[in-house]
Amino acid sequence: ETGVTQSPTHLIKTRGQQVTLRCSSQSGHNTVSWYQQALGQGPQFIFQYYREEENGRGNFPPRFSGLQFPNYSSELNVNALELDDSALYLCASSLWVGETQYFGPGTRLLVL
Amino acid sequence: KNEVEQSPQNLTAQEGEFITINCSYSVGISALHWLQQHPGGGIVSLFMLSSGKKKHGRLIATINIQEKHSSLHITASHPRDSAVYICAVRGSNTGNQFYFGTGTSLTVIP
Repeated sequence: ETGVTQSPTHLIKTRGQQVTLRCSSQSGHNTVSWYQQALGQGPQFIFQYYREEENGRGNFPPRFSGLQFPNYSSELNVNALELDDSALYLCASSLWVGETQYFGPGTRLLVL
Repeated sequence: KNEVEQSPQNLTAQEGEFITINCSYSVGISALHWLQQHPGGGIVSLFMLSSGKKKHGRLIATINIQEKHSSLHITASHPRDSAVYICAVRGSNTGNQFYFGTGTSLTVIP
């Protein structure tokens, strides 16, 4: 158990809908990163938040957006869902930027 | 071409064998991570390296910055080591972007 929790565990949406995924960081961690992992692939970096500010972003379109709250919990929002957005979404928290990351169990999203 | 390449893609070993998984990367990095992912998705961070070698139990990770290469070794492998092992690097000039390999699927047979 890493102390990082994510909700929901599973989610089914249809094309065009919007989704919000949530992550609760390990206590004391001020940095959170979000990843998308398609079936059979390695995770792809979406973005990182440090102290409520975006601190790096991968090659994902603007319809992927995030928030980090003062208690360092975090949300990933995806608008206008596409079929290819079906994946496991992982968040990982760390004490500081660049430190060891602790991963949550992931949210499995299916877009129909 | 991926920024991080791993080999082999799949590996089957007998219990007790010494295992090596390789990772090569093409970008400048500030750190390299070895991750273990079990079926169902849970990921555990095994090592974070920026130079040299680290050991934790039966696991050893090495990195050669000049050659842009890292290896993960498992000594006296055990069926519970069966998992996907993923190499990930944090780019040094890419705004905190992380690049991941596609993973090495390891099966250790009793």
